[in-house]
Amino acid sequence: DAGVTQSPTHLIKTRGQQVTLRCSPKSGHDTVSWYQQALGQGPQFIFQYYEEEERQRGNFPDRFSGHQFPNYSSELNVNALLLGDSALYLCASSKDLSQETQYFGPGTRLLVL
Amino acid sequence: GESVGLHLPTLSVQEGDNSIINCAYSNSASDYFIWYKQESGKGPQFIIDIRSNMDKRQGQRVTVLLNKTVKHLSLQIAATQPGDSAVYFCAEDEGGKLIFGQGTTLQVKP
Repeated sequence: DAGVTQSPTHLIKTRGQQVTLRCSPKSGHDTVSWYQQALGQGPQFIFQYYEEEERQRGNFPDRFSGHQFPNYSSELNVNALLLGDSALYLCASSKDLSQETQYFGPGTRLLVL
Repeated sequence: GESVGLHLPTLSVQEGDNSIINCAYSNSASDYFIWYKQESGKGPQFIIDIRSNMDKRQGQRVTVLLNKTVKHLSLQIAATQPGDSAVYFCAEDEGGKLIFGQGTTLQVKP
């Protein structure tokens, strides 16, 4: 049973660039949530996708956008990168929309120079 | 408001002792709570969860206690092992959105 997978594992970008991160959910899961984790902090909720639509969004600017595909995999896109976007980006998957356990992937470490 | 806090940033215990990690939450309407373990360079790993209709739940070597009156959660780890060294987060589920605290670093001394 494959767990949550994310790619790439590490990424270095410069300010102003755009980045796309990818996530494949755990087998049998249909809901994908994205979190940003700054160094030394707890993860912060970005948004959640279900049935290919954004269902909930945290306090993140429109530069952060996403997509969910028919096979439930998901992408996180960040435009006009800022130094402060440097963080570990985590994907979590679950069954159904809420109140079910979310399982996390290993994350993508993004460094913006 | 959205706030989940852990009482201590670092907890140091002797191998074989029991560990207790505490967490306070602010939303009295929350009814699902989860503990995660995060090792360096890895994503959070599910440990145990509890719903508000329970006050205690046990897993393998771990127990979660929920006190709704004072909005407090704790994670108890029995016979702590070196492999338990990690950052532990409690999280509150608000309709599918997890609200995390800052985390407690557990250090296990041999």
